[in-house]
Amino acid sequence: DVKVTQSSRYLVKRTGEKVFLECVQDMDHENMFWYRQDPGLGLRLIYFSYDVKMKEKGDIPEGYSVSREKKERFSLILESASTNQTSMYLCASRTITGNTEAFFGQGTRLTVV
Amino acid sequence: DAKTTQPNSMESNEEEPVHLPCNHSTISGTDYIHWYRQLPSQGPEYVIHGLTSNVNNRMASLAIAEDRKSSTLILHRATLRDAAVYYCILSPPGGTSYGKLTFGQGTILTVHP
Repeated sequence: DVKVTQSSRYLVKRTGEKVFLECVQDMDHENMFWYRQDPGLGLRLIYFSYDVKMKEKGDIPEGYSVSREKKERFSLILESASTNQTSMYLCASRTITGNTEAFFGQGTRLTVV
Repeated sequence: DAKTTQPNSMESNEEEPVHLPCNHSTISGTDYIHWYRQLPSQGPEYVIHGLTSNVNNRMASLAIAEDRKSSTLILHRATLRDAAVYYCILSPPGGTSYGKLTFGQGTILTVHP
């Protein structure tokens, strides 16, 4: 019954590495989102996409990029990982029709060493 | 984005009702009120949402003030599994603002056996 799947639950990467976080949804949703969650700071929006190949910056896009080549898949890219990008990353999807719920993945806990 | 204000934490005993308040005095006429919760080590999950009328589902009830400046999430009989962070979020209608959800700090609910 999994609807939003993130490719990894835990990741450890080295400083300077290029990191890809993958997210797939099976509900044909138009909107997809990437958040990061840090203690005391809550969930903050990094990037979102409202259609294939379309993307918009969220509140904290610096150091990140995204890719959406297919409707079901939304990738978050850390071009050169840094220790301050150690965090929990959460992907979500939502339809644009009406005002329905968003669905979240289980999260990827990324540690950059 | 319109903001919400929630208590930082609340406590309850198992099998007792829980009333989680949320203030949203700057809500616009078309904003929906959404509630999500996040269990430990999981992504947020949808609980309930409404516009003007009170709403019930299998998880909870949502009571919305007549002026819509506040709402209350009601868990009728708390269980240990309900211990989570509860987020009250204002959501513009679908298709506007790309369906973004802006999270605040939420309320940490502790349930005692």
